[in-house]
Amino acid sequence: EADIYQTPRYLVIGTGKKITLECSQTMGHDKMYWYQQDPGMELHLIHYSYGVNSTEKGDLSSESTVSRIRTEHFPLTLESARPSHTSQYLCASSGDRGVYEQYFGPGTRLTVT
Amino acid sequence: AQKITQTQPGMFVQEKEAVTLDCTYDTSDPSYGLFWYKQPSSGEMIFLIYQGSYDQQNATEGRYSLNFQKARKSANLVISASQLGDSAMYFCAMREGRGGSARQLTFGSGTQLTVLP
Repeated sequence: EADIYQTPRYLVIGTGKKITLECSQTMGHDKMYWYQQDPGMELHLIHYSYGVNSTEKGDLSSESTVSRIRTEHFPLTLESARPSHTSQYLCASSGDRGVYEQYFGPGTRLTVT
Repeated sequence: AQKITQTQPGMFVQEKEAVTLDCTYDTSDPSYGLFWYKQPSSGEMIFLIYQGSYDQQNATEGRYSLNFQKARKSANLVISASQLGDSAMYFCAMREGRGGSARQLTFGSGTQLTVLP
């Protein structure tokens, strides 16, 4: 069973606020990912990391930033939230064995008013 | 060009019957992997089944099987004996390159499956 956690699960916040979405995994995975998903739509990669101090932007341009100071922790920050940021954000990680499947957290549903 | 195409936005199936969800892919990389994920209304993504490009046999995992037709670049998911709990969004995804070096999954637009009692 995958052990990857995201907090908060739901967040409603006003425009202009700074927010941080937390993601942690206890599997020791080096690779971690952030996806953005609008309701009923496909997932788009916005950030990924191959390990500590390694972060890259994904295919979908995003105003968010990420950091990877510890293996288990991969937070995503929006400096100034806007209504266009309203979406679901899914965090995932993958290991170095088997088929390298990605394990997903439960997601954070963000609404910016 | 779309790398993963799922042409069925919605599907209905009667409980206990089998259903096939379509997925076609596009890649020039000889090494790739294909994944199917289930996303219930609660939002989490659940890994179901995997097929590698070099695998000779179709993958199976309980009631899930993958109909892999490499020449046609299709990787359809077959769910046998559907259950009400199978109602969810199903995503096909592809990873290009070898697993250790590849960086991301590319997802299709998904198929909403509804199982009818």
